[in-house]
Amino acid sequence: DAKTTQPPSMDCAEGRAANLPCNHSTISGNEYVYWYRQIHSQGPQYIIHGLKNNETNEMASLIITEDRKSSTLILPHATLRDTAVYYCIVRVPVDSGYSTLTFGKGTMLLVSP
Amino acid sequence: NAGVTQTPKFQVLKTGQSMTLQCAQDMNHEYMSWYRQDPGMGLRLIHYSVGAGITDQGEVPNGYNVSRSTTEDFPLRLLSAAPSQTSVYFCASSYSAVSYGYTFGSGTRLTVV
Repeated sequence: DAKTTQPPSMDCAEGRAANLPCNHSTISGNEYVYWYRQIHSQGPQYIIHGLKNNETNEMASLIITEDRKSSTLILPHATLRDTAVYYCIVRVPVDSGYSTLTFGKGTMLLVSP
Repeated sequence: NAGVTQTPKFQVLKTGQSMTLQCAQDMNHEYMSWYRQDPGMGLRLIHYSVGAGITDQGEVPNGYNVSRSTTEDFPLRLLSAAPSQTSVYFCASSYSAVSYGYTFGSGTRLTVV
């Protein structure tokens, strides 16, 4: 199973771009990269996912390196409400093709005024 | 569209008592799962289901039972509560195994005394 490595914490000034890195050097060819975040005391919230190509939605952009061994989640204009723990997850295939989420400890992003 | 609904939000149990945590989704998702989150740790998978009548164990299944008689509901049963089961429990659902994000409930905070 592919493992992910994230820095335990990061800081970002409000209005600036937040770039959250994730290393997944053992990722398999059919595994997706997912990003979730968890604001204090709430359930995790899906942000974005991708396989090979860069992806963008209304919340964030996901940049995956060509060798797929690492990725970066970009919040283009961070706000105080983006303060949360951000989880990078590689989808783990299990028997019969179904897969579940395996959460690590994530990166605590603190956005300051 | 309520999403994923968990009840109760808070519960205190005495050691040895049993109870059921309820989880319901109205998005016609096939995939549902239960996670627990302990202080300073990421989420750990307890049980999951890939459809009505099909369930399987996750990372920490001991002390918990699940069943999936309908697509909408995925209850988690604690057979004989122990202090080690004090945690926040999250239910999640997804449309498909790989290509969609999971939607999480708001959590049940359980204390076993």
